[in-house]
Amino acid sequence: GDSVTQKQGQVTLSEDDFLFINCTYSTTTYPTLLWYVQYLGQGPQLLLKVTTANNKGISRGFEATYDKGTTSFHLQKASVQESDSAVYFCALVPLANYGNEKITFGAGTKLTIKP
Amino acid sequence: NAGVIQTPRHKVTGKGQEATLWCEPISGHSAVFWYRQTIVQGLEFLTYFRNQAPIDDSGMPKERFSAQMPNQSHSTLKIQSTQPQDSAVYLCASSLDRAGGAQDTQYFGPGTRLLVL
Repeated sequence: GDSVTQKQGQVTLSEDDFLFINCTYSTTTYPTLLWYVQYLGQGPQLLLKVTTANNKGISRGFEATYDKGTTSFHLQKASVQESDSAVYFCALVPLANYGNEKITFGAGTKLTIKP
Repeated sequence: NAGVIQTPRHKVTGKGQEATLWCEPISGHSAVFWYRQTIVQGLEFLTYFRNQAPIDDSGMPKERFSAQMPNQSHSTLKIQSTQPQDSAVYLCASSLDRAGGAQDTQYFGPGTRLLVL
C-alpha cells in the first residue's frame, strides 16, 4: 500500500531561520503530493499540492518539489516566522479514474519557532 | 462559507456507552471522508462516501464502528460499546468529486475530541 515517511518529529527554529522538512513516499500509483498544516485546536488545512512529477508547489512562502526520481517531496521556507508554528503533514492521494480518494499522511513534524 | 461543521467538539463517554459524531460537509461537496487522529497512530483514514454512497470503508474497525450518510448535508460516525482505545480526535473532510481524476482539495473540519473513560 501507499506510505509516507517523515522522520523529523519535532523541529525548533528561531525567527528568520531556514526551514527544511524531509518527506519521502512510496506508492505504485501516480499520486498527487500534499503538505497539510494543522494549528492547535483545528483540523488540517491544505498548504500546497503538486499533481505532476518534477513540478514545484509554492504557497505562503513555502515550497516543495515533487521529485519522482528520489520519491521525495521536502518542504522548505527561506525565513520562518513565529506564526508558522504548527504541525506539518506530508501526504499523498493516489490518482483515480474518477473523483477523489483517501489521503495517506506522514507522521507529522511539529514546528516551533522561538521569537 | 462556514466550512465543514462537526458536532460535538468534545465528547466524554463511559466505557461501554455509544457515541455518535456528526459532520456537515461544505455545501455542494459530494465526497465526505472520516479520519481518526491519535498521538500513536497519527492521521488514519476510516471511510468515505461519494454522493451519499459508501465507497471505501477499509480503515474502519470491523466491530463497533459504523458510518452513514442519509442525505447530502450530513454524515454520522457511530461507535458502539466504546472502549478507552477509541479515544481520539475524529476528523471529517469534504471535497468536490469531479470526473477526470482531478484531485480536489479535501477540507477538514475542526474534529470531535472523544474521550472514553
